[in-house]
Amino acid sequence: QQQVRQSPQSLTVWEGGTTVLTCSYEDSTFNYFPWYQQFPGEGPALLISILSVSDKKEDGRFTTFFNKREKKLSLHIIDSQPGDSATYFCAASAFGGSAKLIFGEGTKLTVSS
Amino acid sequence: ETAVFQTPNYHVTQVGNEVSFNCKQTLGHDTMYWYKQDSKKLLKIMFSYNNKQLIVNETVPRRFSPQSSDKAHLNLRIKSVEPEDSAVYLCASSYFGGGCAETLYFGSGTRLTVL
Repeated sequence: QQQVRQSPQSLTVWEGGTTVLTCSYEDSTFNYFPWYQQFPGEGPALLISILSVSDKKEDGRFTTFFNKREKKLSLHIIDSQPGDSATYFCAASAFGGSAKLIFGEGTKLTVSS
Repeated sequence: ETAVFQTPNYHVTQVGNEVSFNCKQTLGHDTMYWYKQDSKKLLKIMFSYNNKQLIVNETVPRRFSPQSSDKAHLNLRIKSVEPEDSAVYLCASSYFGGGCAETLYFGSGTRLTVL
């Protein structure tokens, strides 16, 4: 069963709009949550990450929010650009565990101009 | 800037053949991984090696075998491929695989098509 779930599966937004991707998880031992961005023909690359001791982390137009009580996190992209069109994966892992990052199913984002 | 190199980029083969994929990282990392990405983009870890030692071996068919000559190289061999092996195989590396908040650096993948 999928331990990390993402929604939506795909999303189209207009250039300049705000993109919101969401993710939920089940394992309460997870305490590290990165978001990876993957362009066609490339491997995923780290975009932004957050630890469970924080509830928000911002990096330019990208912000990730974490809600420990609800076991949910989200990625917000403000002023979305066509160059942001990619597949986004949330992931989770636990400190002290095996070297095992669990990925969500991914969200394919298309930003239309 | 590419630091995890995978070859070949694409490979087409027939059921029952053996294939090998190569991966090299120039980041000086201790841990390397193989992930399988299926047609729905789902990423699943297959193996991870820390300094040439196998530390994670997910439930994958026995026809899959990783091979590591040193901490910078991790190859993947598939004996007698099956149609369900068609996927993109992604190699990755990280500085430390001990459950810390390490960043994974991925190669661009090898796309395998089994006819």
